[in-house]
Amino acid sequence: EDQVTQSPEALRLQEGESSSLNCSYTVSGLRGLFWYRQDPGKGPEFLFTLYSAGEEKEKERLKATLTKKESFLHITAPKPEDSATYLCAVSGGYQKVTFGTGTKLQVIP
Amino acid sequence: EAQVTQNPRYLITVTGKKLTVTCSQNMNHEYMSWYRQDPGLGLRQIYYSMNVEVTDKGDVPEGYKVSRKEKRNFPLILESPSPNQTSLYFCASSYRSNNSPLHFGNGTRLTVT
Repeated sequence: EDQVTQSPEALRLQEGESSSLNCSYTVSGLRGLFWYRQDPGKGPEFLFTLYSAGEEKEKERLKATLTKKESFLHITAPKPEDSATYLCAVSGGYQKVTFGTGTKLQVIP
Repeated sequence: EAQVTQNPRYLITVTGKKLTVTCSQNMNHEYMSWYRQDPGLGLRQIYYSMNVEVTDKGDVPEGYKVSRKEKRNFPLILESPSPNQTSLYFCASSYRSNNSPLHFGNGTRLTVT
């Protein structure tokens, strides 16, 4: 059974204080690892897809990396508008997509 | 505008009264899926569909039905809702299979009393 564990559950940062979110996973035949952002009352919004260990992707203040067992979402000099819940998901060999429970990020001005 | 549209956004019903939540996408996506989101449990997959007339169970399919008669539509049916199906439901679609990014609707908040 595919599993995704995200840590920490919640993270409070001062504006400009860089940090990382962790996503540990077990999956039979990784087809892709995804990061999403979810704002209150809305559906998740796609951020990144990573397909193989060693791959990295960047978008503004966010950078996602992937190893064989985990992925990190690095947030550099965050701003209050980066406050949201960040979700990690994996797709495996059975056409299912499994999500973690998310990290709720709060960035304080 | 590319989007996934769910209706209704909010629904309050009583135990046993059949209901349908509609989902439509305008991106010609092959893959569609339904999730429920509960505090502490995250997003859990209910059913998914690889293409028209092809559906399969996710992790929590009990008490739900789906159909995919047209490529753009993927309704979720609760034939006899129970209080434990009170949740926030999301429909999602992707270009092809489960290794493409998912596009989500804005959710349906269902309360079953």
